This record gives sequence, structure tokens and C-alpha cells, in this order.
Amino acid sequence: DVVLTQTPPTLSATIGQSVSISCRSSQSLLHSNGNTYLNWLLQRPGQPPQLLIYLVSRLESGVPNRFSGSGSGTDFTLKISGVEAEDLGVYYCVQSTHAPPTFGGGTKLELK
Amino acid sequence: QVTLKESGPGMLQPSKTLSLTCSFSGFSLSTSGMVVSWIRQPSGKSLEWLAAIDWDGDKYYNPSLKSRLTVSKDTSNTQVFLKITSVDTADTATYYCARSPLGARTFDYWGQGVMVTVSS
Repeated sequence: DVVLTQTPPTLSATIGQSVSISCRSSQSLLHSNGNTYLNWLLQRPGQPPQLLIYLVSRLESGVPNRFSGSGSGTDFTLKISGVEAEDLGVYYCVQSTHAPPTFGGGTKLELK
Repeated sequence: QVTLKESGPGMLQPSKTLSLTCSFSGFSLSTSGMVVSWIRQPSGKSLEWLAAIDWDGDKYYNPSLKSRLTVSKDTSNTQVFLKITSVDTADTATYYCARSPLGARTFDYWGQGVMVTVSS
């Protein structure tokens, strides 16, 4: 199975600060069809995960544009440009290029 | 409006069979390309994809659990089911169902999850 390693495991930020989360894959996530199926999810406390970004950099409908995704191959980054209180929770990367889909270990975003 | 809702027994004993139901609305599993997956999350831990079924009735399983899993859907294409046999305490988790639309390979809508505890 593809292993996704997220860093850091915990991130402390102040409101308005910009932060980045890294997700590294044990193998390339470029599919033979040319797509890279790397997505980002946010799980707020007590809630199910919600989709933020798909196909590396495409913003899901309704997600604020302070969230952005980038990367290719095995290295990917989620950036939040100006953290807001509602952004607190655990962020997961998930790949579905290779079966079975796998998730990263998560990055917990806390208020400093 | 797309909604999914999981239901299950809450608690069951080791060695029993866990039966879960995902009831959904706002979309049909008969739509070409639509997929519904089961994903679980032990308390305080990350997520694990378990199984999926697509609009054509094709089934997909996590190889690590395949021998214990059975996914199915109803004929009205509004419910998906998951059975896990021979449960033990390691199967204690919150179980989610999630939708993946055509070609996207994303999990764009999730249910609220159902907590299942395996205990004697």
C-alpha cells in the first residue's frame, strides 16, 4: 500500500498566520491517465472529514480560497494563507491513484 | 442536497458479525461512475479505507481485510451495506460512508459516522 507521511504532526498558529502542511508519498501518485489523485481533508472536532482540495490543487466548491494545494509526484503541500478560527482541526492527505486508497497520519492545527 | 447516514449496532461482542447500513439521498448509486465507500477511524487515529461499491455493482476491498468484508447495495440504489465477520476489539472505530462522484476519485460527501464498540 502507498504510505503517506504528513509533517508536522502538530502545528500551532495564530489567527492570520500562514501555514503549510507537507504530505510525502512512498511512490509517485501520477496516474497513467495523467491525473494525480491527491486530496486534502479537514476534520473539525467531533465532525466527519470534509473535502477541501482534490486533484492536488483544485478547490472544492464552497471552500475559502485561503486554502491552496500544490505539488507533484511524491511531494505535496497544503497552504493556508491567513488561518482563521474555523480552520482548527486535523488535516489529512489521501491518495486514490493506487488501490487501496490510503490516508496520511494527520496534522493537527491548533491555536498558539 | 446530498446526505449520507450510517447506522449500526453500537456495540457487539468479539467473534460476531458487524452489519452496517449507509442510507443516502440527493444522488443515486445508479448514476454512471458513482461510488460509495466505507471508511473507518479508531478514536484519535487516522482513517482506513475498507471497501466500496460502484454504480455497476462492482465491489472493491482493502486487501488487508478482504476475507472479512462484504459490501452490497439495495435494488433501489439508496442504501449500501457492509458486513464485517469475526470482529475483535481492533474493529472498534467510527465507521463512515462517503460518496465518490464520476472520475473524481474523491470523497466529496461523508456521513456523520456511527461509532461501533467491540467488547465482551
